[in-house]
Amino acid sequence: KNEVEQSPQNLTAQEGEFITINCSYSVGISALHWLQQHPGGGIVSLFMLSSGKKKHGRLIATINIQEKHSSLHITASHPRDSAVYICAVRVLYGGSQGNLIFGKGTKLSVKP
Amino acid sequence: DTGVSQDPRHKITKRGQNVTFRCDPISEHNRLYWYRQTLGQGPEFLTYFQNEAQLEKSRLLSDRFSAERPKGSFSTLEIQRTEQGDSAMYLCASSFYSGPQETQYFGPGTRLLVL
Repeated sequence: KNEVEQSPQNLTAQEGEFITINCSYSVGISALHWLQQHPGGGIVSLFMLSSGKKKHGRLIATINIQEKHSSLHITASHPRDSAVYICAVRVLYGGSQGNLIFGKGTKLSVKP
Repeated sequence: DTGVSQDPRHKITKRGQNVTFRCDPISEHNRLYWYRQTLGQGPEFLTYFQNEAQLEKSRLLSDRFSAERPKGSFSTLEIQRTEQGDSAMYLCASSFYSGPQETQYFGPGTRLLVL
């Protein structure tokens, strides 16, 4: 079982729809990241969360530490939002502060 | 500040050849990470440096892989005796680490194809 699970794997939406992407994790974490990856590989960090909720433009990210779950919401979706959205966690174990563990990503396609 | 850059962007090689990739981080960033991403998967951690010190290596990093960051600035990732299974996107990221809530900035990646 992967330590970070995302759902759905693929998502097709019509322009203007409200979109939710979910991330569940099974390890103790110090932070959770939402990343956006466009075709060609470039990755951009969208949010870093350790508690609560963050909002940036049409994007909202929430995290529930007790339930080990985070959601990324996109309001009023647009075709330019089409990308792969990746959830990644920084794991709490021993003294390691080194690495992120990534989900497989959710491929979002927004149709005009 | 021009962001994280990687060179080359694409590399095609024959099985058994050695390849070397370069990553130039954002200046003043003290941490540099290498990740590998195969098709349809999320990135997987390979190794990271704090300044010039290599602090952690994944078990994914076999003895054919070596990484260096000799002056604490750019880094190189070398794969010796490449295998077809090494075909992947190799991503570099850098950060200014001041605690667990760092933000990593990713480069565009080097896509490797081993024939």
